[in-house]
This record gives sequence, structure tokens and C-alpha cells, in this order.
Amino acid sequence: KNEVEQSPQNLTAQEGEFITINCSYSVGISALHWLQQHPGGGIVSLFMLSSGKKKHGRLIATINIQEKHSSLHITASHPRDSAVYICAVSMGGGADGLTFGKGTHLIIQP
Amino acid sequence: DGGITQSPKYLFRKEGQNVTLSCEQNLNHDAMYWYRQDPGQGLRLIYYSQIVNDFQKGDIAEGYSVSREKKESFPLTVTSAQKNPTAFYLCASSIDGQFYGYTFGSGTRLTVV
Repeated sequence: KNEVEQSPQNLTAQEGEFITINCSYSVGISALHWLQQHPGGGIVSLFMLSSGKKKHGRLIATINIQEKHSSLHITASHPRDSAVYICAVSMGGGADGLTFGKGTHLIIQP
Repeated sequence: DGGITQSPKYLFRKEGQNVTLSCEQNLNHDAMYWYRQDPGQGLRLIYYSQIVNDFQKGDIAEGYSVSREKKESFPLTVTSAQKNPTAFYLCASSIDGQFYGYTFGSGTRLTVV
């Protein structure tokens, strides 16, 4: 069973700051997912990656397969980025769902 | 637009009653999932289905049941055997659950009183 650890659990920053959220996992994966959950509860998929780096707007996700570690970066943070960011992994060999971290609660203050 | 619809958004039930949560997708995805979210914990897998008329137990299946009679529908029943049913329930789907991304519903918040 994969263990997914995220840090920090809570993060408060000022608007415009560069944000980094970290995720580590214990065993090999087929893909890592970064998800965003807003207060209403619905979840949006931000990135799915198995190697390297992906960028979408102000969001950047990187993964180091050898170190079993991924980071999500937010550049020029904005109050609308306030949400819970969740790291999840899928294992190879079957479609038995994702294993989730506990999430990072991010608050961006104006 | 394609997506997943979960209903209702909020549900209140008396202790001892069974309740069924709806999940419908029009994405033509084969794999569907039910997760439970409790405060301070990561989402946990209740049941999943990779194909019509087949489903598998997840990590916390006790007290829950599902059916997959149609590709687009994967309802979850919370039975009276579930000891702590009050939680946030999320449905998700994926083309294959392994090499493609996931789409999530907006969730159902169940409160049992």
C-alpha cells in the first residue's frame, strides 16, 4: 500500500508570493495527480504526471521518480488560489483508484 | 458538456435508515469510484467498478453497497450497518483508471441524525 505524505498541512501567504507544496510517496507509481478542492467540496484535476514537469498558467508541477517526490508551485499567488491542494497517486497494474494525501490547506491573503 | 453529476448535494437521514447516493457520468468512462472524505483525512476508497456488472471492494467497503447496471451510473447505498455514515462522499470516473486522468463529481454531504 502506498503512503502519500504532503507538506505543509496548512499554509498562509500574502498575495504575490511564490508557493510550494510538497508530496512524497513510498512505492513506485504509474502516475501522480495534483487536485484542487474548493470549500464547496468539488475536486478539480490540475495535473497528471509520470515524469518531468508540467505547466498550466501560474501552476507548475514537477516530479522526481527516483526520489519519489513531487512539488506543486504557484507563481504570483492570488486570493482565488485559496483552496485545499491534494496529491494522489495511481499504482501500475490495475484500475483500483487513487491513494490520496491528506491535503494542504492554502490561504492567500490580499 | 461532459461530466459527473452527484445528487443530492446535501442529504439528511435518521439513524438506522438506508440511503442511496446517485452518481451519473456522460463521459463514456469505464471506471467509476466512490470515495469518502472525513475531516483531517485523505479520501478513502469505498468501492470501484472497472466495467458494467462488475465492482470491487475498496479499503472501507463495510456498511456500503453498490451496483453498476449501466455504464453511466454507479449508485452507492449507505446501509444501517455503516457505523459512522456522516461524511462527504465523492464519486469519480476515469477512462481506465490507470493511464488517464480522473473526473470528480461535486460531492454529497450526508448527515445522519
